[in-house]
Amino acid sequence: KQEVTQIPAALSVPEGENLVLNCSFTDSAIYNLQWFRQDPGKGLTSLLLIQSSQREQTSGRLNASLDKSSGRSTLYIAASQPGDSATYLCAVKYNNDMRFGAGTRLTVKP
Amino acid sequence: DVKVTQSSRYLVKRTGEKVFLECVQDMDHENMFWYRQDPGLGLRLIYFSYDVKMKEKGDIPEGYSVSREKKERFSLILESASTNQTSMYLCASSLFGLAGPETQYFGPGTRLLVL
Repeated sequence: KQEVTQIPAALSVPEGENLVLNCSFTDSAIYNLQWFRQDPGKGLTSLLLIQSSQREQTSGRLNASLDKSSGRSTLYIAASQPGDSATYLCAVKYNNDMRFGAGTRLTVKP
Repeated sequence: DVKVTQSSRYLVKRTGEKVFLECVQDMDHENMFWYRQDPGLGLRLIYFSYDVKMKEKGDIPEGYSVSREKKERFSLILESASTNQTSMYLCASSLFGLAGPETQYFGPGTRLLVL
């Protein structure tokens, strides 16, 4: 069964701290992996998409890495800001299927 | 920019009612999806459609049906709402299907409460 797990479920950090969110998946035969942001009561916004042949993707203060062999991805957020507070979900795309993690709820305190 | 809109942000219905959730996308995408999101469970796929009048069951289709009469519109129907269908419902669209390389674009979600 293809499962996607995100740990921790919630994280609280002071402003300015660098942080890492984790995503693990049980089936390494992935097509791609994507990180989304979800603000309370809202839909999902795509942050970064890593194809299976890639090791990482960067956008501004965000860096996502992918290690297919170990079934892991990390989302690194540099110099966190209160505006980064949201739930971050990872989604793994397989052939004809897409699996989502339950998300990590991040709070960045001023 | 791709825009996916959902007809209601919040909805309160009674057990046994028939409920329609509407989703519209403006990018001429072939594929549209309905998910429900529950705390601790992530998103689970209910149904998806890869073309007009075509539909495929997702992981949890029981208690739901869908309609895709026009390319831009995908409706989720709860034939007889039950309390265990209280959830956040998210619609998404993409140019490619589940096997495609690109992202899905999500609507803002409809939070449904069934009393």
